Amino acid sequence: AQKVTQAQTEISVVEKEDVTLDCVYETRDTTYYLFWYKQPPSGELVFLIRRNSFDEQNEISGRYSWNFQKSTSSFNFTITASQVVDSAVYFCALRSGTYKYIFGTGTRLKVLA
Amino acid sequence: NAGVMQNPRHLVRRRGQEARLRCSPMKGHSHVYWYRQLPEEGLKFMVYLQKENIIDESGMPKERFSAEFPKEGPSILRIQQVVRGDSAAYFCASSQIVGGTKNIQYFGAGTRLSVL
Repeated sequence: AQKVTQAQTEISVVEKEDVTLDCVYETRDTTYYLFWYKQPPSGELVFLIRRNSFDEQNEISGRYSWNFQKSTSSFNFTITASQVVDSAVYFCALRSGTYKYIFGTGTRLKVLA
Repeated sequence: NAGVMQNPRHLVRRRGQEARLRCSPMKGHSHVYWYRQLPEEGLKFMVYLQKENIIDESGMPKERFSAEFPKEGPSILRIQQVVRGDSAAYFCASSQIVGGTKNIQYFGAGTRLSVL
């Protein structure tokens, strides 16, 4: 079975704190892709990153970083020095076939000024 | 560089009415996907279409729901005789290709359907 688990339903942090959003996935496929999307209050889903199963190199983009560990089936997302504009629901997703995405239930991040 | 456009953003229907949701994919994208998001849940795949073809509708309820992506014009998700349980956010996504490393689905802002 394929599944994505985001155990953290809601996280609140104070501005400038670092925060890590957890994502654990399940799949039997050897080739798969992992994604993070941001859903701000306006509702659209904004693509943040894609990682394929053969590339475990961690990635950093500005204040965002992602830690992909196949040994623990995790693809965690860290925001450094959080800002109020980071407040959103963040979704982790898995694609192990050619097109069907499987989403986690999302983590609502609240960054307080 | 317009993204995926969905309209309307909000749709209110009474039980038994029909709901029509529209999606225009990103320019150059010929693959369209519809997902449904129930309150406090993640998005669930409904259907995948290419121009004039339904490729995979395994996630779509067998009754009352239909989807199309005509040669000209937007993709349409149609829900007939809506019931309260259909209240949800419906997202459309599009991609330039399918499969492989370059398949990234870009999502629209969604249509929030409320059934009274």
